[in-house]
Amino acid sequence: EVQLVESGGGLVQPGGSLRLSCVASRFTFSSYAMSWVRQAPGKGLECVSMISGTGRSTHYADSVKGRFTISRDNSKNTLYLQMDTLRAEDTARYYCVKQLTMIVVAPGDAFDIWGQGTMVSVSP
Amino acid sequence: QTVVTQEPSLSVSPGGTVTLTCGLSSGSVSTSNYPSWYQQTPGQAPRTLIYSSNTRSSGVPDRFSGSFLGNKAALTITGAQADDESDYYCVLYLTSGMIFGGGTKLTVL
Repeated sequence: EVQLVESGGGLVQPGGSLRLSCVASRFTFSSYAMSWVRQAPGKGLECVSMISGTGRSTHYADSVKGRFTISRDNSKNTLYLQMDTLRAEDTARYYCVKQLTMIVVAPGDAFDIWGQGTMVSVSP
Repeated sequence: QTVVTQEPSLSVSPGGTVTLTCGLSSGSVSTSNYPSWYQQTPGQAPRTLIYSSNTRSSGVPDRFSGSFLGNKAALTITGAQADDESDYYCVLYLTSGMIFGGGTKLTVL
């Protein structure tokens, strides 16, 4: 069974940084695009970033552009999200998600397999 | 900026049928938007139900089906069960990316 395990969440002050990791198993990691989807407490879902299977293409939501950086290490089956200049509104559970396709924002793509998420809290 | 719209809340009786919809603030939803649907029960991660309008994800019972209703995508649940009580999100493929709707809270009562 495909497994995604996130880590790296925690409490950080506004303006601080945090790096999330997601270790994938039981599928060919490099063959699929991956995403980070977040959910603020009591709110809906928002895709903040996507990366292609090769890692060469990325996509960011306007809300995080210039502050967050997505990357992956296919040799370690690991996805990352570097979050800088954090704001209170970045407080959310962050889910690592396997996509259906290899390409970023591709026609026919969908969010496929979800991890359990890691909680990020930004507060003084 | 185009917004993906969903009913904030709906209710269904046990054993009944309910249809949730997913629209656009401007324009119609079509197969080119590749609608997908996700279920999230309280305290749990989302689960993928439907992708590419009407393809069920692995392990999803055929009580869940995707279609189009007028100018919107639709998710129909037949024979509703107590554990169908969840939040349901749709996603549409737009030029700006894959955009989530605000979600529908489904109550089974």
